[in-house]
Amino acid sequence: DVKVTQSSRYLVKRTGEKVFLECVQDMDHENMFWYRQDPGLGLRLIYFSYDVKMKEKGDIPEGYSVSREKKERFSLILESASTNQTSMYLCASSAGIHEQYFGPGTRLTVT
Amino acid sequence: RKEVEQDPGPFNVPEGATVAFNCTYSNSASQSFFWYRQDCRKEPKLLMSVYSSGNEDGRFTAQLNRASQYISLLIRDSKLSDSATYLCVVNPNAGNNRKLIWGLGTSLAVNP
Repeated sequence: DVKVTQSSRYLVKRTGEKVFLECVQDMDHENMFWYRQDPGLGLRLIYFSYDVKMKEKGDIPEGYSVSREKKERFSLILESASTNQTSMYLCASSAGIHEQYFGPGTRLTVT
Repeated sequence: RKEVEQDPGPFNVPEGATVAFNCTYSNSASQSFFWYRQDCRKEPKLLMSVYSSGNEDGRFTAQLNRASQYISLLIRDSKLSDSATYLCVVNPNAGNNRKLIWGLGTSLAVNP
């Protein structure tokens, strides 16, 4: 079974803090993704990576950056957290054209 | 027109009922299609990939109609545990699935 893990299930941070969300997959997938999910807006792609050290912007990259130093690990960084970044963050991985597998999500609250 | 559109529901059905959801997509060149299931406050999980010939997995049947640009999901003999949000997903790209287009989901509640 594909396993995607995320570093935290729940996180509370203050405005202006730097936030790191980590994602690890164990299936040697080349593609990894970061989404956020908000009520009424669905899943929105923040960034994705199709290889180590490669990244591409998704639909809403503003305020976020990513890092992929190893194939199995994809990090999402909020340089200076703001209240409008309160959301559910979901990491996913996939191989080629196949389906994406998700981690359990991190519910981030920025106060 | 949205790239992927779903009726948000909610669909309220009794146990044992048959229920069908449709999803329309705007890009006629879309290559592959999926249905995901998402339980409340959980991550999406793949339910089915949708093949051009249609496919069936137990009580679930998925169909693709390229001419009319929609995919459908049929659930027979609904169970209480089928209560969830069903997400329609479209891949517009040949050769990779780097940017999937996600519908907002259809909410299903199966009642005893």
